[in-house]
Amino acid sequence: QSALTQPASVSGSPGQSITISCTGTSSDVGGYNYVSWYQHHPGKAPKLMIYDVSNRPSGISNRFSGSKSGNTASLTISGLQAEDEADYYCSSYTSTSPVIFGGGTKLTVL
Amino acid sequence: QVQLVESGGGLVKPGGSLRLSCAASGFTFRDYYLTWIRQAPGKGLEWLSYISISDDYANYADSVKGRFTISRDNAKNSLYLQMDSLRAEDTAVYYCARALQPTVYYFDYWGQGTLVTVSS
Repeated sequence: QSALTQPASVSGSPGQSITISCTGTSSDVGGYNYVSWYQHHPGKAPKLMIYDVSNRPSGISNRFSGSKSGNTASLTISGLQAEDEADYYCSSYTSTSPVIFGGGTKLTVL
Repeated sequence: QVQLVESGGGLVKPGGSLRLSCAASGFTFRDYYLTWIRQAPGKGLEWLSYISISDDYANYADSVKGRFTISRDNAKNSLYLQMDSLRAEDTAVYYCARALQPTVYYFDYWGQGTLVTVSS
């Protein structure tokens, strides 16, 4: 099963909002509301930012929000801050495997 | 606080074996499903395997089924990944992660990873 499709990179200036897309199929993103997003600063442990499409774990800033339409999920980060610069990965439950990840998106804060 | 610390990575020749360990602390280890996930150089994340609370059920990705074996020791708060018949494409950073209850497809805590390099 192929990885979910994410843009390789996105960028934005401090204070702006950006959106990262994550496209799958009806067997994963489109078929279940079990989408999550992870933030990964290289060399550090990845961090769960969003689960169940739009829920934030305790302690995650409300600047991070998630949504889904059809086979595409999205992560929006508002009020960009320098510390948001990281790699972001989406994931989804699938009909054939517990989870599949996206290829990752590198967020650059200009 | 919850901590997961991987160890055991290194350089191994194709066809060789390696055993990764993940030491857990800061939570009731025996109450959680645990998983291994890897990231090859320049690639995205890849789920590999998860293990049930009591070590009586495991699931594997097709890419490692039959070659990798996940196990746990609840008395030692430790998770393991026995990797046999290693291939160059198994070169990656390997992460252990805790599954967010009651799911096996969300991971709320991860380690920082251990690098495995398969090369002659």
